[in-house]
Amino acid sequence: AQTVTQSQPEMSVQEAETVTLSCTYDTSESDYYLFWYKQPPSRQMILVIRQEAYKQQNATENRFSVNFQKAAKSFSLKISDSQLGDAAMYFCAYRSRKTSGTYKYIFGTGTRLKVLA
Amino acid sequence: KAGVTQTPRYLIKTRGQQVTLSCSPISGHRSVSWYQQTPGQGLQFLFEYFSETQRNKGNFPGRFSGRQFSNSRSEMNVSTLELGDSALYLCASSLSSASYEQYFGPGTRLTVT
Repeated sequence: AQTVTQSQPEMSVQEAETVTLSCTYDTSESDYYLFWYKQPPSRQMILVIRQEAYKQQNATENRFSVNFQKAAKSFSLKISDSQLGDAAMYFCAYRSRKTSGTYKYIFGTGTRLKVLA
Repeated sequence: KAGVTQTPRYLIKTRGQQVTLSCSPISGHRSVSWYQQTPGQGLQFLFEYFSETQRNKGNFPGRFSGRQFSNSRSEMNVSTLELGDSALYLCASSLSSASYEQYFGPGTRLTVT
């Protein structure tokens, strides 16, 4: 069974600085998606960034980028130039890329990010 | 385009009662997934519905059930509520069961006393 582990329950970063959130996962599949979701205090979860396992290039979305290490099964999120609005709970998630059969999202337990002014 | 809506937003129930939560997906989306979010367990997948059929199911007892209507709206029912069912219940919609991109609703906060 697939698992997703986020070992940092809470992180803090100074405004304008860079922070990296860690995520490791375990799977026997070779083709899958990895995601980072952000859940601000208002609780609406939004997708931050997505990585397809077959792509070697790390995904980037503006100030958000990932470091995807497939062999190590590691998927960290780097937030550059941190802003107060980045304060939220961040969830790492895994999903099989299968298009038939049963598959589901597996979420980590989350990392709460605090941004200090 | 309107987002995913969930009703009610807050609910207080007593042990032993049952509850029904509702989720309206984004227009055109046919897949609806339900998650239970608790501080200790994070997000746990409950089930997914697509075209009125349950496609996937998580490891929850049979007290948790759901259904989807022809307009893709979905309901989740929890019978014989227990204190441990207190959680934020999130609904997410996607275009199809194979779509990887999910859009989440604001959630329903259920408190069981």
